[in-house]
Amino acid sequence: ILNVEQSPQSLHVQEGDSTNFTCSFPSSNFYALHWYRWETAKSPEALFVMTLNGDEKKKGRISATLNTKEGYSYLYIKGSQPEDSATYLCAFVGGTSYGKLTFGQGTILTVHP
Amino acid sequence: GAGVSQSPSNKVTEKGKDVELRCDPISGHTALYWYRQSLGQGLEFLIYFQGNSAPDKSGLPSDRFSAERTGGSVSTLTIQRTQQEDSAVYLCASSLHGTYSNQPQHFGDGTRLSIL
Repeated sequence: ILNVEQSPQSLHVQEGDSTNFTCSFPSSNFYALHWYRWETAKSPEALFVMTLNGDEKKKGRISATLNTKEGYSYLYIKGSQPEDSATYLCAFVGGTSYGKLTFGQGTILTVHP
Repeated sequence: GAGVSQSPSNKVTEKGKDVELRCDPISGHTALYWYRQSLGQGLEFLIYFQGNSAPDKSGLPSDRFSAERTGGSVSTLTIQRTQQEDSAVYLCASSLHGTYSNQPQHFGDGTRLSIL
């Protein structure tokens, strides 16, 4: 069973704060790491797909880094806004099945005005 | 529409009945995935299709669950003799290619299934 862990489980920040959270995954047989944002009453939305060790991706105020050798990825949000409130999910691709995403439990972010 | 479409959006049924959930992926997407989220749980992989074949169905929880995809497009997930533990939100997603999942997945709005 593949273990994908996200921390913290939940996070409350004030508008304007910068924040980050972690996704840990198996460091062997890695293929890809996905990040998704899931807002309440909506469907999950893809943020990034990362495949290379040392990869850094950016989308507006959100960025992510990847370390496949030690098995972790960080997601950063700069200057959080209330509309950033959502559950952030990471998903690991690898092991013996390259078509399957194994999701972490998610980090619930709440940004207070 | 341009997105992944799922139907029905809500389904309430009695224990023991069969249910069929439908997913219409984005046109041109060859890969299609089914997930479910039970109360308090994370997203759980069920099965994925590349074209009409299912290379990985390891997530189907029991032989009461089956899925098929026809014409490389629409997929149906069938649950026979439903049990209360089948209550969950069932999500479908599609991506351009699936054999190596380096493509982002596009999700539908889900079907909320409640078994009485």
